[in-house]
Amino acid sequence: QKEVEQNSGPLSVPEGAIASLNCTYSDRGSQSFFWYRQYSGKSPELIMSIYSNGDKEDGRFTAQLNKASQYVSLLIRDSQPSDSATYLCAALAYSGAGSYQLTFGKGTKLSVIP
Amino acid sequence: KAGVTQTPRYLIKTRGQQVTLSCSPISGHRSVSWYQQTPGQGLQFLFEYFSETQRNKGNFPGRFSGRQFSNSRSEMNVSTLELGDSALYLCASSLGDRDRGRADGNTIYFGEGSWLTVV
Repeated sequence: QKEVEQNSGPLSVPEGAIASLNCTYSDRGSQSFFWYRQYSGKSPELIMSIYSNGDKEDGRFTAQLNKASQYVSLLIRDSQPSDSATYLCAALAYSGAGSYQLTFGKGTKLSVIP
Repeated sequence: KAGVTQTPRYLIKTRGQQVTLSCSPISGHRSVSWYQQTPGQGLQFLFEYFSETQRNKGNFPGRFSGRQFSNSRSEMNVSTLELGDSALYLCASSLGDRDRGRADGNTIYFGEGSWLTVV
């Protein structure tokens, strides 16, 4: 059973601080990883993807991947109240018969306090 | 470029009825996946279609079914609705590229979802 684990939170950070969201995955064969943001009552929207070890930066967001530790993280610099949402981590892995499947964690709820 | 379009957005059904949800993927995307989201279980994978063929399937009963048309549009159907089927149903599309290590070919984009309430 492929699993993606996230701390459900809520994670509260003050405005302007760095928010750090973490995710671990069970399938060592997972190849690509994705972070989605979901506002209450809305659908998930893609923030960024990563598939190589190390850091990947996009504006205020940095994704970090450590395949040896099976660990993915998302850093949000200069957190804003508008960043308050649930963040979903997802891992893509081979599921057999030439098929790949995306497995989602249950998400971490982030609250940025003004 | 238009995003993923889902219809209807909101619907209320009675136990025992059936429902059909529709999804139009992003132009050029050949893969359509369906997910069920509930507060307790999070996002759960239902199935994926690529070029009119079901390529992957999650652990849901046979009451949940889907299909994909030649224009990549997809529908999912839930028969004999139960109260526990109340959820947000999300459709997602991607290029469907299965080359190893290509995150961009497998990145999925979600539609706004269909909120189903079973009473």
